[in-house]
Parts: sequence; C-alpha cells; structure tokens
Amino acid sequence: EMQLVESGGGLVQPGGSLRLSCSASGFTFRTYAMSWVRQAPGKGLEYVSAISHNGDRTYYADSVKGRFTISRDNSKNTLYLQMSSLRTEDTAVYYCVGRPVAGTSRRLDPWGQGTLVTVSS
Amino acid sequence: QSALTQARSVSGSPGQSVTISCTGTSSDVGGYNYVSWYQQYPGKAPQVVIYDVSQRPSGVPDRFSGSKSGNTASLTISGLQAEDEADYYCCSYGGSYNPYVFGTGTKVTVL
Repeated sequence: EMQLVESGGGLVQPGGSLRLSCSASGFTFRTYAMSWVRQAPGKGLEYVSAISHNGDRTYYADSVKGRFTISRDNSKNTLYLQMSSLRTEDTAVYYCVGRPVAGTSRRLDPWGQGTLVTVSS
Repeated sequence: QSALTQARSVSGSPGQSVTISCTGTSSDVGGYNYVSWYQQYPGKAPQVVIYDVSQRPSGVPDRFSGSKSGNTASLTISGLQAEDEADYYCCSYGGSYNPYVFGTGTKVTVL
C-alpha cells in the first residue's frame, strides 16, 4: 500500500522556523515528483511547493518564496519542507503529495494524512 | 495565480444528480487536459475521484464523471448517495511555472 506520513508540525512563534518531513513507503519514491499542499483552518487547498523526482527542479508559490525550502533524500525515501520567517497566515495543515513521473497523467496521488502547523505568539 | 472558481455549495436528494463547475482560464483549465477532482471528508486528507478531465481511479464508483468545455470543467455525481456528502476541489495543471492551481471548493450536501 502506498503511504505518506508527515511529521514535524507544531506550535511556533511568528518569525520562527520549523522543518516538516514526509516518509514514503509502498512505492518507488525516486520515480515520483513530490509536493506540499496546505489548508488553512476552514479554508481551501493551496499548492505550496514542489520538487522533481531527482531534486533538480523546484517550485514555490509566491506566498512562501524566499521563506520555504523544499528538498528530498531519495536514499531515505523522505521529503522535507524547511519553513522559516513563519507568519500567522502560514497556519495550516500541510499535506505531502506525490505524482508519478512515468506516463502523462498529472494526478496528485497519494496524499499523506497531514501535519498541523500553528504560528502564534 | 488565482484560484479556480467553484460554487460554495450544491445539494441534492439521494438518487439525484448534481454537477459542480470549475472555471479557470486559458492558462490552466482551458490550456491542458489535466483537470482533477478531489473529495475531502472533514478532518481527512483529500483523495482523487477524477483525473485528467474524465479518468476515474480504480475503486471510485462510476457514478462520478468528469468533463471539460473551454475554460470550465465539471464533476457530475449521478445517483447521489449519503456517503458522497463532502467537500470537492477541482485542480488544474498550469504549466511549468505554475504547476497546479486548486478551486475554491464546493460543499456537497445530501438532503
């Protein structure tokens, strides 16, 4: 069974930093592009960041550019999101999401269960 | 990049059909055949019910169907069931520089 498990969320003060991790199992991690999608409380989904299957290309939404860094370690089947200069508006559940690079489909699947990040003083 | 536009809510009685629309631009919905739809129950992660406009993953009931015309995509749930009550989000691929954009989300209520 394909599985993604996020960790590292928690309460952090404005201006602080946090690193999220996402551990993958049940599929060949190095053949998947990976993304982070977040959802603020009671709000919709926002595409935050992405990294190619081999890590040579990244993408950041304007809302996090310059503050967040996405990376991956294919030897450990793990995706990361380093978040710094956190703002109250970064409060959200952060989902780790995969997309197979083989074929032409652009479907986002699988999804992790999410980890809550709360930025508050 | 602006979110795709969806109605806030739709409702229907069991057995009826409901259709959710998702309006974007020629840079996303209209430019690619890569629209997907995600179902989300409260407190749970989203899961794909339709991808690449009209493809259904294995395990998703065939009462879920998708289509697209111009800059607008649609999700139709036929034979509505109580378990279909959830939030639904459309999502479109938007090219290398803006890979994905989500819709604003639609709450489906089964009366």
